[in-house]
Amino acid sequence: DGGITQSPKYLFRKEGQNVTLSCEQNLNHDAMYWYRQDPGQGLRLIYYSQIVNDFQKGDIAEGYSVSREKKESFPLTVTSAQKNPTAFYLCASSPRGLPFNQPQHFGDGTRLSIL
Amino acid sequence: KQEVTQIPAALSVPEGENLVLNCSFTDSAIYNLQWFRQDPGKGLTSLLLIQSSQREQTSGRLNASLDKSSGRSTLYIAASQPGDSATYLCAVGPNDYKLSFGAGTTVTVRA
Repeated sequence: DGGITQSPKYLFRKEGQNVTLSCEQNLNHDAMYWYRQDPGQGLRLIYYSQIVNDFQKGDIAEGYSVSREKKESFPLTVTSAQKNPTAFYLCASSPRGLPFNQPQHFGDGTRLSIL
Repeated sequence: KQEVTQIPAALSVPEGENLVLNCSFTDSAIYNLQWFRQDPGKGLTSLLLIQSSQREQTSGRLNASLDKSSGRSTLYIAASQPGDSATYLCAVGPNDYKLSFGAGTTVTVRA
């Protein structure tokens, strides 16, 4: 069954700690994305990657880092520099190339809270 | 910068009534417009994608229209059911990987 798996479902961060959110996809998609969702707001793009070993900053990249060493995996690290990390984090993927105009597929999210 | 607005923020209707959800955007130079559904505590599920050259798209009880010149899209859900209760989000972008999302409309369909 193809899809996107995010883990863990819930995560707690202590002051000064870095935490890493996992995102794995078996859809053979080239592009992957990380979004942050806050109550009453739309999703905001943190980072995206169109191909392995390449990624670009989104609108709110400060305090976050990513890597894309494998096509299937796009982990997100929330660093201690991110002062307001409490949010719902969503990972997505989409195919590149023909046919164009394909929708993004989303995982079920990770809810991050501060201890 | 693209701004996407969805009004109302919440909507409650009796079962069987047709739903009309609105989405407006400030920059008409879009690649496509997408409607998503989000259940509580879950990710997004794509419902409809309208290419910038299209005027509407249909899937079952769902119909979405797009008017680029006025910066508007409307999602119609016919004969609503309690299972349609969810948050509906629209998203637009200048390309297919940098989407701007609205905050969503939370729909409750009362049995």
